[in-house]
Amino acid sequence: TQLLEQSPQFLSIQEGENLTVYCNSSSVFSSLQWYRQEPGEGPVLLVTVVTGGEVKKLKRLTFQFGDARKDSSLHITAAQPGDTGLYLCAGGGGSYIPTFGRGTSLIVHP
Amino acid sequence: NAGVMQNPRHLVRRRGQEARLRCSPMKGHSHVYWYRQLPEEGLKFMVYLQKENIIDESGMPKERFSAEFPKEGPSILRIQQVVRGDSAAYFCASSSVGPSVIYEQYFGPGTRLTVT
Repeated sequence: TQLLEQSPQFLSIQEGENLTVYCNSSSVFSSLQWYRQEPGEGPVLLVTVVTGGEVKKLKRLTFQFGDARKDSSLHITAAQPGDTGLYLCAGGGGSYIPTFGRGTSLIVHP
Repeated sequence: NAGVMQNPRHLVRRRGQEARLRCSPMKGHSHVYWYRQLPEEGLKFMVYLQKENIIDESGMPKERFSAEFPKEGPSILRIQQVVRGDSAAYFCASSSVGPSVIYEQYFGPGTRLTVT
């Protein structure tokens, strides 16, 4: 069974601060997705990483896939209140169904 | 808007009634997944369907729950004789291809089921 552990579970910061959230597993994934879910809405796909060591940037968000394709990180620079939400990682490989982590709940205070 | 559509957005049922949740995938997508989410928890996989076929229902309770994705029309998740423990948010996601190296999914806004 593939498991994805996300940390921290909760994060509350002030606008302008930087933060990093992590997604770790003992399993190798063929790809990994990051989603953001706002209260009352469905998850929205942010990025997919496929290659070990890959780094992708989306404005103030930087995503990295570990060299061994077992872990990933999401770094947000100068967080804004609009970044508030639940950040979910999901890994694919080995079955039909992606494995989802439990998420990191981020609150950015103005 | 060609995104994934779900209806209703909110559904209230009394214990013992039936709940029907509908999902229309993105245009061109033929793969549908249903998930359940409780507060402060991640997404729990329930069932994966293609048109007219259930591919994997390993996450769905054997009793009272069923799902279909007919040739025409939306995918439907049906919960019979609902109990309070069924209260949750149910999300549908669709993808354009089946299992591959990339598992990108596009989610609908969800149906919030409340059982009273």
